[in-house]
Amino acid sequence: AQSVAQPEDQVNVAEGNPLTVKCTYSVSGNPYLFWYVQYPNRGLQFLLKYITGDNLVKGSYGFEAEFNKSQTSFHLKKPSALVSDSALYFCAVRDRSYNNNDMRFGAGTRLTVKP
Amino acid sequence: KAGVTQTPRYLIKTRGQQVTLSCSPISGHRSVSWYQQTPGQGLQFLFEYFSETQRNKGNFPGRFSGRQFSNSRSEMNVSTLELGDSALYLCASSLALGQAYEQYFGPGTRLTVT
Repeated sequence: AQSVAQPEDQVNVAEGNPLTVKCTYSVSGNPYLFWYVQYPNRGLQFLLKYITGDNLVKGSYGFEAEFNKSQTSFHLKKPSALVSDSALYFCAVRDRSYNNNDMRFGAGTRLTVKP
Repeated sequence: KAGVTQTPRYLIKTRGQQVTLSCSPISGHRSVSWYQQTPGQGLQFLFEYFSETQRNKGNFPGRFSGRQFSNSRSEMNVSTLELGDSALYLCASSLALGQAYEQYFGPGTRLTVT
């Protein structure tokens, strides 16, 4: 079964600095990988996904993520953080080897960007 | 295009009661999934529907059930509520059934069981 780990519960960065939110995954085959963001009292918003092709994926709000198959990682990055990026971030994975498996989410990483 | 809508947004029930939550997907989306979100367990998958058929089910007791209608709208029902059912219930829709499709989430229904 597929699983995903977000090793950091909390990430703090200063506004204007680069940010990284880490994600590692485990699947028996090849993965589809996703990042979502959740603001307070809201549902999750889709940021970006990796399906195939270029390992660097660009998404909404200036975010990007790099797929690294050898390290089974899919870290979320942004060159310059904004205070408004403060939110809860979720990494998710689906194993493309199986037709009807569900999307598995990590526990989430709370990003705080300080002015 | 309107997003995923969920009703009601907030709900307070007592133990032993049952509850029905509703979800309207984005227009044109045919797959609907439900998740339970709690601080302790994170996001837990409940079930996924496509073409009025349950395609996948998470590890929840039979008290949790759902259905999808011909217009892709979905409902989930929880019977004999327990205190531990207090959670944010999220509905998500996607264009079709398939692992590559991203899901679009509604704002959730906050269920409190007393």
